[in-house]
Amino acid sequence: EVQLVESGGGLVQPGGSLRLSCAASGFTFSSYWMSWVRQAPGKGLEWVANIKQDGSEKYYVDSVKGRFTISRDNAKNSLYLQMNSLRAEDTAVYYCARGLPGTDYFDYWGQGTLVTVSS
Amino acid sequence: DIQMTQSPSSVSASVGDRVTITCRASQGISSWLAWYQQKPGKAPKLLIYAASSLQSGVPSRFSGSGSGTDFTLTISSLQPEDFATYYCQQANSFPPTFGQGTKLEIK
Repeated sequence: EVQLVESGGGLVQPGGSLRLSCAASGFTFSSYWMSWVRQAPGKGLEWVANIKQDGSEKYYVDSVKGRFTISRDNAKNSLYLQMNSLRAEDTAVYYCARGLPGTDYFDYWGQGTLVTVSS
Repeated sequence: DIQMTQSPSSVSASVGDRVTITCRASQGISSWLAWYQQKPGKAPKLLIYAASSLQSGVPSRFSGSGSGTDFTLTISSLQPEDFATYYCQQANSFPPTFGQGTKLEIK
């Protein structure tokens, strides 16, 4: 069974940093593109970043470029999102999601971890 | 970025009803469209991809159609577990973008 379990969310002050993790199991993690998708409270979904199977390609939505870094450790079946210079508008539930092969659709999602940026 | 606009924003329906939700892209996306279902406090679930392909395990009462800029998700006979929020998503151009959601409520 495919499982994605996020962790690392919490309350952080504006300008602070946080590192999210996503532990994957039930599939060959190193064979899939992986993404982070976020959802602000009561709002819709926003794709944040993705990373190629071997980590050689990474892409970001404009609003997080230069502040967030996506990475992965295939030996640990784990995906990460390092978030720096956090802003109030980054407050959201952050989901890790597996890419449907050959596409930018998302076929499995974790349960999400809440990041709250507030003083 | 490609803007995705769903209508209606909310709809009320009864068990057994046929419901259609539409999604319009701000420019042509061929058939690069997915539909997701999200229940409160849960992660989204992929229902349809490539505009009309049913994801494994999804009931056949869900169907999708369209190409270019206009797409529809149809639920042929609503079941109690179908009351949720539905999102479309384009995968034609970077970055992938979602519609604002359609909340399907019980009448």
